[in-house]
Amino acid sequence: GAVVSQHPSWVICKSGTSVKIECRSLDFQATTMFWYRQFPKQSLMLMATSNEGSKATYEQGVEKDKFLINHASLTLSTLTVTSAHPEDSSFYICMTSGLPSYEQYFGPGTRLTVT
Amino acid sequence: AQTVTQSQPEMSVQEAETVTLSCTYDTSESDYYLFWYKQPPSRQMILVIRQEAYKQQNATENRFSVNFQKAAKSFSLKISDSQLGDAAMYFCAFETQGGSEKLVFGKGTKLTVNP
Repeated sequence: GAVVSQHPSWVICKSGTSVKIECRSLDFQATTMFWYRQFPKQSLMLMATSNEGSKATYEQGVEKDKFLINHASLTLSTLTVTSAHPEDSSFYICMTSGLPSYEQYFGPGTRLTVT
Repeated sequence: AQTVTQSQPEMSVQEAETVTLSCTYDTSESDYYLFWYKQPPSRQMILVIRQEAYKQQNATENRFSVNFQKAAKSFSLKISDSQLGDAAMYFCAFETQGGSEKLVFGKGTKLTVNP
């Protein structure tokens, strides 16, 4: 199957700072990227959907000015958590879909801890 | 909006035995996909099995099979000859065919395999 990487795998940041998470598709064209958030012992909740070259579409209740998503190329999408707070501590997972099969592939996730 | 319900927060099974995980969903769509994903302690999402709603035949993948009841909107996962490595969180997920390819997840079932 396709390979999707995320970087970093684990990040600790101080409250009020911003942190950027990268999601890369290594061997296919990711026309669509999905960003999910998973709190401990809970399910995956969709935050936003982005198509290459377009603005992201955010789910209800997700602050677009706080969670900045950029999908500038077919192989890279970034999620920036701005002015992070302890309640933003979570596991962030990207999922890609694209050519040739439009199957979904998950990144390994990024654990964010805000102190 | 589509919803996915997993009514069993936790299940346990003896090694080599069979276990069934339940999933129901709600949708007004007629064409869609259903999935079971496994999330081991590493938290990497792993596709277990996929079912297209238009197919009457239940999907199977080695020791994993589903019981898809479209009229009842039920999609259970049967794991035969359970192995220690099957221990994980299992998520049922739904995708509208022809839609944005986003997945809607259930809350998950934690499966423990006892030796």
